[in-house]
Amino acid sequence: SYELTQPSSVSVSPGQTARITCSGDVLAKRYVWWFQHKPGQAPVLVIYKDFERPSGIPERFSGSSSGTTVTLTISGAQVEDEADYYCYSATDNKFYVFGTGTKVTVL
Amino acid sequence: QVQLQESGPGLVQPSETLSLTCAVSGDSISGYYWSWIRQPAGKGLEWIGRIYVPGRTNYNPSLESRVSMSADTSTNELTLNLRSVTAADTAIYYCARVHLDTSGYYSDWGQGTLVTVSS
Repeated sequence: SYELTQPSSVSVSPGQTARITCSGDVLAKRYVWWFQHKPGQAPVLVIYKDFERPSGIPERFSGSSSGTTVTLTISGAQVEDEADYYCYSATDNKFYVFGTGTKVTVL
Repeated sequence: QVQLQESGPGLVQPSETLSLTCAVSGDSISGYYWSWIRQPAGKGLEWIGRIYVPGRTNYNPSLESRVSMSADTSTNELTLNLRSVTAADTAIYYCARVHLDTSGYYSDWGQGTLVTVSS
C-alpha cells in the first residue's frame, strides 16, 4: 500500500507538546519529510530524512521513526505553529506520496 | 536564493489540456529533481510527478496517462501538461524543488497558481 495515514487533527494548548503520526508500509524503508502548510502560503520543510531539521527551523520541531510509523513532535507548541502538516515519502516505484494531512490547532 | 514562479491560464475548459510553466531563478534547473504538486480546495497535497533535468520523469500512477513534464535549460523553465481535464483537476498547482543528494537537502516552492476547470 502507498498510503500514508495521519490523524486529521491535533489540538494542544500553547506550551504543550503536539505529536503527529504518519503511518505506512513504505516507511519501514523510506525516509520521511515533513512540511508545514499555512493557508495562502507555500509549504515549508520542517523535517527531512526522518529527523533532520533544516536550518532556520526552531528546535521545538523534531522527528522520530519506528518501523512503519514516523512522528513529528512540536515541543512547546506556539500559536504560530498552527498549520496543516504533511508527511511525504517515496514509494517503491519511484513516485512520491503525501500523507493525508493533520490540522494542528494551538489554543 | 532560488525563486520559483508558476504561470498559466487560470481557467481551462473541460477536456482541454492544462499547461503551466514554472520559471526558476537563482539556480540552474539542471541536476535537480523538480516536482509538481497540487491541492484542491479543502483537500490535501497531491504529488503529480517530478522531472530530473535533463529529462528523467516519474509520475503519480493515478495521473500518468494524462500528464507530461518537460524542462527547458535555455530558459530555465519547467512545464506541466495535464490532458483531458475535468472539474476534479481544479486546484492550486505548485512547482517545487524537493531534492536530497550528497550536497544536502533542497526545498524550494513557488507560491502556487490556481487553475479552475470549468466551461
